[in-house]
Amino acid sequence: DQQVKQNSPSLSVQEGRISILNCDYTNSMFDYFLWYKKYPAEGPTFLISISSIKDKNEDGRFTVFLNKSAKHLSLHIVPSQPGDSAVYFCAASSSRSSSNTGKLIFGQGTTLQVKP
Amino acid sequence: ETGVTQTPRHLVMGMTNKKSLKCEQHLGHNAMYWYKQSAKKPLELMFVYSLEERVENNSVPSRFSPECPNSSHLFLHLHTLQPEDSALYLCASSQDLLPMNQPQHFGDGTRLSIL
Repeated sequence: DQQVKQNSPSLSVQEGRISILNCDYTNSMFDYFLWYKKYPAEGPTFLISISSIKDKNEDGRFTVFLNKSAKHLSLHIVPSQPGDSAVYFCAASSSRSSSNTGKLIFGQGTTLQVKP
Repeated sequence: ETGVTQTPRHLVMGMTNKKSLKCEQHLGHNAMYWYKQSAKKPLELMFVYSLEERVENNSVPSRFSPECPNSSHLFLHLHTLQPEDSALYLCASSQDLLPMNQPQHFGDGTRLSIL
């Protein structure tokens, strides 16, 4: 049973427009969420995170929104650039889990293509 | 340049071979992790080390054996692997075990192929 889901395997956006990547989770114990970006032949690179005490976190062109009641988070990239083309993973963890090991649960990833 | 370095980048081995994957982090972090990424599957956590002590073994078969000799180095020893073990193996580190405001930083991975 997947606790973190990214239901869109791929997304194509025109350069300069907004990219919106979505992620849903099922475990209400999750209280920390992250987005990673991955280029081919490289490891995931941390992009932005948000804790459950917030509903929005912004860093330059990247904004993450958290809707706890819907158990949904999204990553907005504005404006999108061709260099943003990569696979984007959302991940979640719980500081309240019994083992408290900082375990990250990842989604399957969404491939973003930004067309020039 | 990544602060987490993995070697080798690619490894092809037979099912009867013994090999080791190496991970080194230059970030002064206290926690290190091994993940497995199979085709079309999410990253799966395998092992967690904090201050050189293993704190999580995520039901991983014994043919995978981790070793953490110090806080900067992590190894994954492999023996008698199966074809389904072919995957990308990623190492990560974080400042401490708790994740709050402390994201995990990943290496570029070792692409493992079992013949």
